Amino acid sequence: GAGVSQSPRYKVAKRGQDVALRCDPISGHVSLFWYQQALGQGPEFLTYFQNEAQLDKSGLPSDRFFAERPEGSVSTLKIQRTQQEDSAVYLCASSLVLSGDTQYFGPGTRLTVL
Amino acid sequence: EDQVTQSPEALRLQEGESSSLNCSYTVSGLRGLFWYRQDPGKGPEFLFTLYSAGEEKEKERLKATLTKKESFLHITAPKPEDSATYLCAVDSGAGSYQLTFGKGTKLSVIP
Repeated sequence: GAGVSQSPRYKVAKRGQDVALRCDPISGHVSLFWYQQALGQGPEFLTYFQNEAQLDKSGLPSDRFFAERPEGSVSTLKIQRTQQEDSAVYLCASSLVLSGDTQYFGPGTRLTVL
Repeated sequence: EDQVTQSPEALRLQEGESSSLNCSYTVSGLRGLFWYRQDPGKGPEFLFTLYSAGEEKEKERLKATLTKKESFLHITAPKPEDSATYLCAVDSGAGSYQLTFGKGTKLSVIP
């Protein structure tokens, strides 16, 4: 079946602009995760959802970052007043359940803040 | 705090030259150790999950093994198409469900 999809694939923003990144998880997957990947680094956890509930947002770097999953399917990661240090690839992953289950990743959105 | 260290950072192999990648981890409790492959400009692609020491899994030229402190990804007779960055990650069972990743090993297989 279809995998995790993300849009847009590339986003260029001027410093101070707001951006919204979308994730469509695998159909039926309960859990959804957002990660941030800097160049040459492994992905770092931002937040995760179980259905529509955001159960952990401890990885969000500042209050400019906000994520939602209102109907327990599609998720949006929003970054307000973007800064140059926000430039990275934002990855979304979904899994069927939570504990020890495999997370399947989307292709990512590459955000460049000028 | 969970930690994952991968070595080497980069590895160049001749086609057919077998080798191993290392992933050392420090966690409070291991729920699972994951290996992913990542090609440039793409998201991580799932390869293996290992749950307990002594477990082994195999897929084509790749074999993953797990001990209480580390995991190895063995590559037998690699081909140029095996060139990629290989990421190791742990689900630590510390009350949250996120994966903690290492920085990856960039593998280049030269024809």
